[in-house]
Amino acid sequence: DQQVKQNSPSLSVQEGRISILNCDYTNSMFDYFLWYKKYPAEGPTFLISISSIKDKNEDGRFTVFLNKSAKHLSLHIVPSQPGDSAVYFCAASEAGANSKLTFGKGITLSVRP
Amino acid sequence: EAGVAQSPRYKIIEKRQSVAFWCNPISGHATLYWYQQILGQGPKLLIQFQNNGVVDDSQLPKDRFSAERLKGVDSTLKIQPAKLEDSAVYLCASSLEVSIYGYTFGSGTRLTVV
Repeated sequence: DQQVKQNSPSLSVQEGRISILNCDYTNSMFDYFLWYKKYPAEGPTFLISISSIKDKNEDGRFTVFLNKSAKHLSLHIVPSQPGDSAVYFCAASEAGANSKLTFGKGITLSVRP
Repeated sequence: EAGVAQSPRYKIIEKRQSVAFWCNPISGHATLYWYQQILGQGPKLLIQFQNNGVVDDSQLPKDRFSAERLKGVDSTLKIQPAKLEDSAVYLCASSLEVSIYGYTFGSGTRLTVV
């Protein structure tokens, strides 16, 4: 049972335009939602996160939106840059001392110069 | 601060052979995780340690996989005997608390079983 779903395997956008990466989840107990970025031959690196008490969190060019009623979150990158080309994983966890992250399958973003 | 260290970076073995991976987490991080990432899929948790105790190993194939974290610091993950379907990247991560801070991953070990 996949609790975190990233249904689009890939996305291609033009440099300077907006990239919107979507993620859906099924577990209503999730309290924290995170996005990780992964380049080839490297481990995933933390990008941005949001807690369930918020609906938006912004950090520079990156903004994450959370719609709890729809169990949906999205990552917006504006403006997109060629260096943003990578695999993006959506992850979620419940609250608690022994919580752990559950990951989606990832989306490969390609930003065309 | 130094990151999560993993070795080796790459390993090629024949099926039925054994292999071991090593991880050194960030100093002070009590929680350590091993994830398996098969090509085209997201990372899947294999085992979670809190200090040197196991918190969750429900998805660890215990007939062939084992892991330990001696003294609550370094950890090793072993596969014996390996199968073709074990070909994947094995990621180690550590954290103080998950919450909105997530965890820090190492670079991973890419295992190819032939």
